[in-house]
Amino acid sequence: QVQLQESGPGLVKPSGTLSLTCAVSGGSISSSNWWSWVRQPPGKGLEWIGEIYHSGSTNYNPSLKSRVTISVDKSKNQFSLKLSSVTAADTAVYYCARGYSGSEAGAFDIWGQGTMVTVSS
Amino acid sequence: DIQMTQSPSSLSASVGDRVTITCQASQDISNYLNWYQQKPGKAPKLLIYDASNLETGVPSRFSGSGSGTDFTFTISSLQPEDIATYYCQQYDNLPPGYTFGQGTKLEIK
Repeated sequence: QVQLQESGPGLVKPSGTLSLTCAVSGGSISSSNWWSWVRQPPGKGLEWIGEIYHSGSTNYNPSLKSRVTISVDKSKNQFSLKLSSVTAADTAVYYCARGYSGSEAGAFDIWGQGTMVTVSS
Repeated sequence: DIQMTQSPSSLSASVGDRVTITCQASQDISNYLNWYQQKPGKAPKLLIYDASNLETGVPSRFSGSGSGTDFTFTISSLQPEDIATYYCQQYDNLPPGYTFGQGTKLEIK
């Protein structure tokens, strides 16, 4: 069964760039699914960041669009997130998630375990 | 932008109780509404998709209903393991994007 695993630095300096990777195992990133990043600040709710299809097509949350880049590496079966000009407000648990192809409502049926990223000097 | 209003923000109920959470959209979203359960320190888990479809492996005490702007999530008989925070999530296709409700923290009385 498909599993997702996030990886990347747990600490990023203010004004720097947050970089995370989500490795897909048990299935192909070239399947008929969109692949998303979602974040959750400590003690708060969930915020969708953006998504990518294996073709490279992307959609981003308008509130983050100017700072976000999501890319895909089909040879490594993984996709990545870059968030630039980070501040303390970007401190959160970052999840990668799979969009369920059987859902019209864009449900996320598989999630990674999440990785905590703290923005601090 | 479509706004989602989820209520209540917290809820205390007894084992065996029927529990209901609502989510209201600021405009018609058809059936583009999903429900998740999140336990502390864990990733969200999909329970209901497309407003009323039970995800495979999810107990039948969980259900969802609604369309348009008003949606309901129900636990027919609360179990101790259901203690969690529940989120609704809507999908908008113009432009593509996803918005989560504020969450409902469910506790045992």
